[in-house]
Amino acid sequence: GENVEQHPSTLSVQEGDSAVIKCTYSDSASNYFPWYKQELGKGPQLIIDIRSNVGEKKDQRIAVTLNKTAKHFSLHITETQPEDSAVYFCAASMKASGGSYIPTFGRGTSLIVHP
Amino acid sequence: DAGITQSPRHKVTETGTPVTLRCHQTENHRYMYWYRQDPGHGLRLIHYSYGVKDTDKGEVSDGYSVSRSKTEDFLLTLESATSSQTSVYFCAISDPARERNEQFFGPGTRLTVL
Repeated sequence: GENVEQHPSTLSVQEGDSAVIKCTYSDSASNYFPWYKQELGKGPQLIIDIRSNVGEKKDQRIAVTLNKTAKHFSLHITETQPEDSAVYFCAASMKASGGSYIPTFGRGTSLIVHP
Repeated sequence: DAGITQSPRHKVTETGTPVTLRCHQTENHRYMYWYRQDPGHGLRLIHYSYGVKDTDKGEVSDGYSVSRSKTEDFLLTLESATSSQTSVYFCAISDPARERNEQFFGPGTRLTVL
């Protein structure tokens, strides 16, 4: 099955700095890569996603890059703010029977943004 | 939380007792999932359902069973709870008919097995 590695497990930055979280995956059949943010006491929530036919996607301060050849993808957050503090999960997915994507998640990165 | 509720939200039980967790959705999404979240392990899929009475195993299905008799409800049962099943359990939903393939997660159930 798919295996997703995520690094670092903890990331501490000063407000205004950039933060980068990196993931690798093992199965070249994976073609959908979502990123989720989980705030304390809540369920994860999708913040950005990318498909395998795209190399980069940006949404305001958040961007994701994908290198299919190397099987790695990254989340970039610029101008970090204290409200960005949360646990971030990457995932790699392929289409299952019935048409939905079943993700395999990384172990998560705890991002702490110091004011 | 996109019309997803989980019950109970907290439960403490003893080893060997049966436990059932309920996930209820009002979004009419076809797929429903059960995950467990443990420190250092992220989210791991237990079981999922792709329609009424249609279910399949995830990577950590041993010791768990599921049932889906209605589109809106997905039940997770621990037939005989063990301390290793102490965890936070999340239900999620998705629908392949939607343009975006995102999963929507419920608020979670914290289960403690003593």
